[in-house]
Amino acid sequence: DIVMTQSPDSLAVSLGEGATINCRSSQSVFHSSANGYNLHWYQQKRGQPPKVLISWASTRESGVPDRFSGSGSGTNFTLTISDLQAEDVAVYYCQQYYSLPITFGQGTRLEIK
Amino acid sequence: QIQLQQSGPGLVKPSQTLSLTCAISGDNISDYDVAWNWIRQSPSRGPEWLGKTRYRSGWRTDYATSVKSRITINADTSKNQFSLQLTSVTPDDTAVYYCARDFRYRFDYWGQGVLVTVSS
Repeated sequence: DIVMTQSPDSLAVSLGEGATINCRSSQSVFHSSANGYNLHWYQQKRGQPPKVLISWASTRESGVPDRFSGSGSGTNFTLTISDLQAEDVAVYYCQQYYSLPITFGQGTRLEIK
Repeated sequence: QIQLQQSGPGLVKPSQTLSLTCAISGDNISDYDVAWNWIRQSPSRGPEWLGKTRYRSGWRTDYATSVKSRITINADTSKNQFSLQLTSVTPDDTAVYYCARDFRYRFDYWGQGVLVTVSS
């Protein structure tokens, strides 16, 4: 199984500041037929299912504010949130679908400082 | 607008079978480009993928190794829905269970989630 490891487990950021969440995969998730990394980011607010924010490591989903961006290569990926807003308080997960079983990171809890 | 509506009991006794259904609206369960998944989430833990079904010239399923001996996912094309059965449950199976559609390898639509508690 591909293990997804996120860091940090939690972080607190002031409103208007930036936040960086890291995700490392235990092996490459580069999908050669798609020419991209099969790595996706989700936001989960309390009491709601996860919502996909970024797909294929760096493609922002429709309707997602451009404050959210994804980057990375190899086995290291980053979700960056700029200009933090109160509504960004959530747990963020990375997920790989390069191989079965599909696996998620353990999550990073983002709070307002 | 695609929606997934889950139904099923919130309490199951140990050793019994957990059964949930996910009704699809706004999409066709037999679409070639998508798969239909079950995912669960224990308190304060990341999501755990359980399995999926999809139509590719016939119905195909994949299951997580951790539950492979106990899980069945079935599609019902007449009702445009799919189901989860998990047998011989224990308290470790207590979780919020979600159904979700995957398209291009990411989960773009989710059900509302059902908290299933395994307790006598």
